[in-house]
Amino acid sequence: DAKTTQPNSMESNEEEPVHLPCNHSTISGTDYIHWYRQLPSQGPEYVIHGLTSNVNNRMASLAIAEDRKSSTLILHRATLRDAAVYYCILRRRGGGNKLTFGTGTQLKVEL
Amino acid sequence: DVKVTQSSRYLVKRTGEKVFLECVQDMDHENMFWYRQDPGLGLRLIYFSYDVKMKEKGDIPEGYSVSREKKERFSLILESASTNQTSMYLCASRPGPTEQSEAFFGQGTRLTVV
Repeated sequence: DAKTTQPNSMESNEEEPVHLPCNHSTISGTDYIHWYRQLPSQGPEYVIHGLTSNVNNRMASLAIAEDRKSSTLILHRATLRDAAVYYCILRRRGGGNKLTFGTGTQLKVEL
Repeated sequence: DVKVTQSSRYLVKRTGEKVFLECVQDMDHENMFWYRQDPGLGLRLIYFSYDVKMKEKGDIPEGYSVSREKKERFSLILESASTNQTSMYLCASRPGPTEQSEAFFGQGTRLTVV
């Protein structure tokens, strides 16, 4: 799977929107962009995924750049419960079953 | 709800012991994974299995082996535990080969080797 690059950490205030960036400059046309997050003392959980179009679900929105070399996970109103490590990973169509994570972005949310 | 259950939340073992970490999933998923997580290194894939008795090495398989005799159970084995295997171990499962399916994780086992 192609490599992704994320900032090590970000900070936000509660009730404000958060934009978590991910660069994937070597992405191929068949790579899906997935986001997971890991709350303290828990295993990671799925957040959202997309291919080309922006995606929304109850947890977050995913904005994908037109050239697909970057994407942004948007939390519309951060809460203290959103403090977690956020992982951006790529999954290639027909790319096998391997699932590889990086180091992610540690999001801190303050009152 | 999909459930991935790891047999122990905390485990303390002695150097040289053979250690078994067990993981069970209840959703008939084909794929199962073992990761370890260390500060500053993120999640690193140790082994994964895409079917019963089938396994593939991940990025850091040295010092580990796995067993998948039944579809719902995936075991991670430390043949001779060493202190550098002290870590958080996470198991995950995912259905099918599709690139769109989400993975489900267990709560993790914090292993300390003394």
